[in-house]
Amino acid sequence: DIQMTQSPSTLSASVGDRVTITCRASDSISVWLAWYQQKPGKAPKLLISKASTLESGVPSRFSGSGSGTEFTLTISSLQPDDFATYFCQQYNGYSWTFGQGTKVEIK
Amino acid sequence: QLQLQESGPGLVKPSETLTLTCPVSGGSISSGTYYWGWVRQPPGKGLEWIGSVYYTGSAYYNPSLKSRVTMSVDTSKNQFSLKLSSVSVADTAVYHCASSIAVTGTGGYWGQGTLVTVSS
Repeated sequence: DIQMTQSPSTLSASVGDRVTITCRASDSISVWLAWYQQKPGKAPKLLISKASTLESGVPSRFSGSGSGTEFTLTISSLQPDDFATYFCQQYNGYSWTFGQGTKVEIK
Repeated sequence: QLQLQESGPGLVKPSETLTLTCPVSGGSISSGTYYWGWVRQPPGKGLEWIGSVYYTGSAYYNPSLKSRVTMSVDTSKNQFSLKLSSVSVADTAVYHCASSIAVTGTGGYWGQGTLVTVSS
């Protein structure tokens, strides 16, 4: 089974900061990697699919990169609405594995 | 835009069977575009994929839970379901239903989750 290792688990940052979150796969997953944003009590929101494809309506300050085993989510300029938990997901149709999540907190 | 919402009891006794349902609105579960899955998150822990089911009824389970999990689809009601048998305290978690992400990039719809507590 493919394992996903996400880091850091917590990140303290200020509005306007550039933020980077990393996900590593235990084996190559090509580009089948998604990033989600989750706020307490709400459904996770898909931000990026296929490693770098921004979903419709997601602000352009979010970007994703990588392929194979190394992936990155970048927020170019952190906004107040961005303080949340982010997690990565590898997907190949019916089988999914998740990173442990990164909580982005206000510094 | 699909909407998913988990439904079921919030409290289950040890050794009993946990049953959750996920009605899908805004589209047909029979479209064939997505797999329909269940994911759980125990308190303070990460997300765990439980399994996925296709509208035909074909199901795929996490090997660690396979012996206790059954998933099904009811196309007439546009919903899918999870049954987890012989539950223990370790099965206490927030349970989410979700759709897969298609090759085209659509999908990734989730319910907000429902807390299921296993306790006598």
